[in-house]
Amino acid sequence: DVKVTQSSRYLVKRTGEKVFLECVQDMDHENMFWYRQDPGLGLRLIYFSYDVKMKEKGDIPEGYSVSREKKERFSLILESASTNQTSMYLCASSSGQDNSPLHFGNGTRLTVT
Amino acid sequence: EDQVTQSPEALRLQEGESSSLNCSYTVSGLRGLFWYRQDPGKGPEFLFTLYSAGEEKEKERLKATLTKKESFLHITAPKPEDSATYLCAVSGGSTNAGKSTFGDGTTLTVKP
Repeated sequence: DVKVTQSSRYLVKRTGEKVFLECVQDMDHENMFWYRQDPGLGLRLIYFSYDVKMKEKGDIPEGYSVSREKKERFSLILESASTNQTSMYLCASSSGQDNSPLHFGNGTRLTVT
Repeated sequence: EDQVTQSPEALRLQEGESSSLNCSYTVSGLRGLFWYRQDPGKGPEFLFTLYSAGEEKEKERLKATLTKKESFLHITAPKPEDSATYLCAVSGGSTNAGKSTFGDGTTLTVKP
């Protein structure tokens, strides 16, 4: 089974802090994604990557950046955390084949105070 | 712009009471429609992919069907352990399946 591991289940950070969310997958998947999930807004794509060192903006990239130095690892960076970035963050991966489904981690619940 | 609407928002069933969840979608050139299950505090778990109208997939008490405008997730004789939020997502056009558009989900509660 594909395993997608997010380094933290819960994080509490202060406004203005730089925050790193880490994600590792163990199935040699080409594609990795960061979503955030908020009540009433569903899942929204922040950034994704089709290959090492490649990244593309999703629907809501403002205030975020990403890093993919190794195939198995995809990091989400909040440059200067703000209270409106309090959310559940979900990392996912998929194989390079068209229409491959997403395999999600268990999420990181981030609270910015 | 791709759109996905799920209904109802919440569904409460008695154990054994069969029902269906609806996913209506608009997409330019459907490449795949996905169903996921999400338990509280966990990430979504993949259930099914449907590719074309008329296709059906089954897994235990769940059966997913697809038409040109909507998909149904039929739950037959549900058990309390089927309680979860069920998410529908579509990918279309030239987008990778990971760039899916998700619905807001249907939260299913099955009472014993």
